[in-house]
Amino acid sequence: QVTLRESGPALVKPTQTLTLTCTFSGFSLSTSGLCVSWVRQPPGKALEWLAMIDWDEDKYYNTFLKTRVTISKDPSKNQVVLTMTNMDPVDTATYYCARSGRFYAFDKWGQGTMVTVSS
Amino acid sequence: EIVLTQSPATLSVSPGERATLSCRASQNVYTNLAWYQQKPGQAPRLLIYAASTRATGIPARFSGSGSGTEFTLTINSLQSEDFAVYSCQQYNDWPPSTFGPGTKVDIK
Repeated sequence: QVTLRESGPALVKPTQTLTLTCTFSGFSLSTSGLCVSWVRQPPGKALEWLAMIDWDEDKYYNTFLKTRVTISKDPSKNQVVLTMTNMDPVDTATYYCARSGRFYAFDKWGQGTMVTVSS
Repeated sequence: EIVLTQSPATLSVSPGERATLSCRASQNVYTNLAWYQQKPGQAPRLLIYAASTRATGIPARFSGSGSGTEFTLTINSLQSEDFAVYSCQQYNDWPPSTFGPGTKVDIK
């Protein structure tokens, strides 16, 4: 059974750095063709893809966030980590991690973690 | 960046009726399009990929069609558990993959 679970702070202050961890089970990110992405959703708004890392450790970023976001993986722990610098109130959202094939649809999602940016 | 437009924004349907949702892409995405269902407080759930292929465990009352820039999600004989927000996603052109704004299907 494939599961993903996000963890991280619920509240961060403006200008701080956000670090979120996706812990997954039921698959290996060393398996050719598999990827994990981060997707966020501001309250009442559309889903927004942020970043993806694949089995070969290639990384892809949404261009509008590219300078602020870093994605990495720890295969030994079955974890993918997202860091986002210089957080702003507009970054308030539910952050999801999701599995896909490379450049494909997301077939499994975590339950999401709500992050509020406020002083 | 490919922009996805969904219509209508809200669709009011009676249980047992059919719902037809539209997703339009600003550029050709061929059949590289997926549909997701999302209920309040829950993560998205993959319904359809490759424009018309149902994901594992998705009931046959959900069907997808289209190619290029015009896509349709049809839900036949709506059940109570189908009232939700439906979003489309294109994965033809990465990065970024993009999502539509969603269509809310509510009870008439």
